[in-house]
Amino acid sequence: RKEVEQDPGPFNVPEGATVAFNCTYSNSASQSFFWYRQDCRKEPKLLMSVYSSGNEDGRFTAQLNRASQYISLLIRDSKLSDSATYLCVVNRRRTGKLIFGQGTTLQVKP
Amino acid sequence: EPEVTQTPSHQVTQMGQEVILRCVPISNHLYFYWYRQILGQKVEFLVSFYNNEISEKSEIFDDQFSVERPDGSNFTLKIRSTKLEDSAMYFCASSEGPRGVGTQYFGPGTRLTVL
Repeated sequence: RKEVEQDPGPFNVPEGATVAFNCTYSNSASQSFFWYRQDCRKEPKLLMSVYSSGNEDGRFTAQLNRASQYISLLIRDSKLSDSATYLCVVNRRRTGKLIFGQGTTLQVKP
Repeated sequence: EPEVTQTPSHQVTQMGQEVILRCVPISNHLYFYWYRQILGQKVEFLVSFYNNEISEKSEIFDDQFSVERPDGSNFTLKIRSTKLEDSAMYFCASSEGPRGVGTQYFGPGTRLTVL
């Protein structure tokens, strides 16, 4: 079983749509959780950290359910510039090793 | 805004040759990492480095790989004898310290092509 699993997509949505991505992780020792964004052939960039209480950053909302080992990302009012691959990432804090999911590709169309 | 830099952006080499990939982490960061991404696949952890020694390494990071911080600014990844399957994008990352260990900032990557 993969340590971090995501639906690879692609998700094709019109501008203004709301889209949700899900992710599950298998190792209950995982301690920190993130969503990174990766544009084609570029480096991953931190989008937001994910907390059990849920957190919001503008149009982006992330949620963590430790009991279900499930992480989500909601994007409201999608923009063309949101088109990218969204990476679900977990971390075991001791050494900082980040474990990446395969990524979910989002294509926002006019 | 401070950023991680990497050189070269693209390296082409013959199988069996040695390559050194270079990174300059963000200046006040204490933790350094190398990851790689084979085309079309996920980002994979290679090694973490703190206080001039390896903290953790993956199964990929075998005896052909080594890392070094030769001075106060550079962090290098050496592959001693490259194989075709080493062709990938190699990303360097750094993070601030114990509290920010998970918040890693990535460099733009070096695309390694082994012929």
